[in-house]
Amino acid sequence: DTGVSQDPRHKITKRGQNVTFRCDPISEHNRLYWYRQTLGQGPEFLTYFQNEAQLEKSRLLSDRFSAERPKGSFSTLEIQRTEQGDSAMYLCASSIGNSEAFFGQGTRLTVV
Amino acid sequence: QKEVEQNSGPLSVPEGAIASLNCTYSDRGSQSFFWYRQYSGKSPELIMFIYSNGDKEDGRFTAQLNKASQYVSLLIRDSQPSDSATYLCAVNSRGQNFVFGPGTRLSVLP
Repeated sequence: DTGVSQDPRHKITKRGQNVTFRCDPISEHNRLYWYRQTLGQGPEFLTYFQNEAQLEKSRLLSDRFSAERPKGSFSTLEIQRTEQGDSAMYLCASSIGNSEAFFGQGTRLTVV
Repeated sequence: QKEVEQNSGPLSVPEGAIASLNCTYSDRGSQSFFWYRQYSGKSPELIMFIYSNGDKEDGRFTAQLNKASQYVSLLIRDSQPSDSATYLCAVNSRGQNFVFGPGTRLSVLP
């Protein structure tokens, strides 16, 4: 499978715990995006990378959120001290430059 | 003012009819425009993209762009029940990130 891959697909965690998600983009894609989506809403932009450089972060991305793309390949999104409001689908997408982006299957986070 | 706006719907059309989905955007510097389809519980799937004013056709789908009016639309001809989904409009503004609208829920009635 050469599409965007996200792991895990589902995560249930207790409030206050830290969680980390992984995204493997399509291999030749230099841009990688993270979005969050809640029920009935469109995807909300969190951050994006061009190669290993994090070029933009949304105001939504509080200091509890951090993302990395250390070698310009896979990326991780970490949420520290999770809150119930963090429950959402976390989507990763990749693209070549600003051409069309392709999404992974998403990671559904439930904070209990 | 939200950056990308869509009518949330639901938009209901009978099978075989044309479904028309609309999207407006606020940033005049936006360069590229995308339509995604999202089934319940799944991730968005790219349907079409359009960069230039006018129409672009791909099978049963036609995207229309009018930059002067800051308007982009998606027409689905011969709608099928399998087209029932949420349709997301996305705009790439000045080569940065993709900004999504809230989506329009389409229901095609057999």
